[in-house]
Amino acid sequence: KAGVTQTPRYLIKTRGQQVTLSCSPISGHRSVSWYQQTPGQGLQFLFEYFSETQRNKGNFPGRFSGRQFSNSRSEMNVSTLELGDSALYLCASSLTGQQSNSPLHFGNGTRLTVT
Amino acid sequence: KNEVEQSPQNLTAQEGEFITINCSYSVGISALHWLQQHPGGGIVSLFMLSSGKKKHGRLIATINIQEKHSSLHITASHPRDSAVYICAARPQGGGADGLTFGKGTHLIIQP
Repeated sequence: KAGVTQTPRYLIKTRGQQVTLSCSPISGHRSVSWYQQTPGQGLQFLFEYFSETQRNKGNFPGRFSGRQFSNSRSEMNVSTLELGDSALYLCASSLTGQQSNSPLHFGNGTRLTVT
Repeated sequence: KNEVEQSPQNLTAQEGEFITINCSYSVGISALHWLQQHPGGGIVSLFMLSSGKKKHGRLIATINIQEKHSSLHITASHPRDSAVYICAARPQGGGADGLTFGKGTHLIIQP
């Protein structure tokens, strides 16, 4: 069974631009959650999607958004990039989501650098 | 708001030593995750537990719900155990909050 796939692995963008990251979950998993990891703040929860609906949202500005498609693939978008958005962005899939007992399976992440 | 604290932040030990990493949290939770992150970023979920103790190979995770505390133990540590270990708490009662993470413990096992 293929694991969680995130694309691209690396991305360099300029301040003010926008970026879209993609996450393909394990086949059959309906939940995709997104996380930001920085050296200063560590891992922080961004949002979770389940069956195309946003179920949970972390404490991030509206510039961070996401969506989930009918095949459970998910994208997250960051608009008007700031230097502080430079981070490793990770997604995780699970059968039924963070609030259940199904384990999380993480992708290898997308490393975003904003210059 | 749930606060999750891990200790120690950094730990260097010799191969074969018994390792303990601690995690405490401030509010009621329904489950606690232990994650392992190797250089390069990939994260592996080691345990998810809501009570008692779980064991997988040389790894043991325990949780005390009343004391709001969990520990991860590694027996007979090996250099390949070198990684960052992160605990993450899932709030009780569902709601819109996602996982809250500790800052991680950077473990180095020297041969």
